[in-house]
Formats: sequence, C-alpha cells, structure tokens
Amino acid sequence: DQQVKQNSPSLSVQEGRISILNCDYTNSMFDYFLWYKKYPAEGPTFLISISSIKDKNEDGRFTVFLNKSAKHLSLHIVPSQPGDTAVYFCAASLNAGNMLTFGGGTRLMVKP
Amino acid sequence: KAGVTQTPRYLIKTRGQQVTLSCSPISGHRSVSWYQQTPGQGLQFLFEYFSETQRNKGNFPGRFSGRQFSNSRSEMNVSTLELGDSALYLCASSVTSGQPLAQFFGPGTRLTVL
Repeated sequence: DQQVKQNSPSLSVQEGRISILNCDYTNSMFDYFLWYKKYPAEGPTFLISISSIKDKNEDGRFTVFLNKSAKHLSLHIVPSQPGDTAVYFCAASLNAGNMLTFGGGTRLMVKP
Repeated sequence: KAGVTQTPRYLIKTRGQQVTLSCSPISGHRSVSWYQQTPGQGLQFLFEYFSETQRNKGNFPGRFSGRQFSNSRSEMNVSTLELGDSALYLCASSVTSGQPLAQFFGPGTRLTVL
C-alpha cells in the first residue's frame, strides 16, 4: 500500500517557466512533508518542508502548498533553471519521526 | 564538516552470499537511518538506529539487519542475497531521533546481486 504517491514519473519544462510537481498521500496522520532533490550517484538533498498545520511554505524559488482536505501537496519552482534538472521526491513523516515514507519520484527536465 | 560517508560505493555479490555496508554519520550525529532504493519500489525505509538502539524498523525480511557502534557509525547486513536485493542503499544521519527535517543523506552504496 503506497501511502505517498507521485503520479507523474516525468516532467519537462522550459527554462524560466514554472515547474509544478505533485504528490498525494493517504495517511492523514502525517505531520511533516518534505521535498528532496536527487542527482544521479548522489544521495537525496533536502529542499523544503511543510508542517501539516500550514498550507504554504516558501523558500526562494521554491514553494510548497499543502491541501489537507485533498491529501495533496505540490512543489512550485519559479523560475525553473537547467540546474533544477533532477529527480524530485516527496516524503512524509509520522509523529515527527526520522522514518520517512517516500513517493516514487518525478524526473524533472528543464530545457534551456 | 564532512558529510555522511558510505563504504563501499559499489559492490557486486552473487546470490546466497551475504554483504555488510557501512555508514559514517556527520560528526556529532547520533541517529542513522537506512533506506533501499529500487526502480520498482522506490525509496523504502529499512531501519533507524539511535544511541546503538534500533528505534524503528521498516517492512523488510529478517535477512536485513543492522547495528550501530558507540561512535555512531552504523552497518547493515544482508544475508542470503537475492537478485531483488540489487539496489542503491542510502543512509541518512541527524543529531538525534525525531528530526525529520534535519537528516542528511550519504551518496549510497550500489549493490548488484548476480
């Protein structure tokens, strides 16, 4: 049973435009949601997070939105840059624990 | 500050063998978590160790085990390897348990089982 899902395996965006990556979850008890970026041959790098008590968190070009009623979160990257080309994972934490449940990832390609 | 290091980076084994992977956390970090990444199942949590004690365990068979030493370094062991164990094994460290937003991942160990 996949508790965290990323339904789009890939996304291609033109440089300068907005990238929107989506993530759905089923467990309403998750209290933190995180986005990680992963390059080949490297471990995931933390990007941005959001607490379940908030609906938006912004950090520079990255904004995460949380819709608890729909059990859906999204990561917006504006403007997208070629260096953003990577695989993005959303993850969720229960009871603020270190055990993370990951989605399957979305491969983002930003074209110059 | 040095990041999380994992050794070896690449490993090739045959079915039935066993393997031990090592993870050295960032200095001062006492929690180490292990994850398995495969194309089919994505990133899945294996276990977390904090102060030499297993805190959490994912849904993996008993062939997967781990331990943590007093210097916080951690090892995971997979016995009786199967083809499906081929994966990237990642570890992540944080200062303490209960810090989901402050975990740092290592580069992983790529295990290939033939």
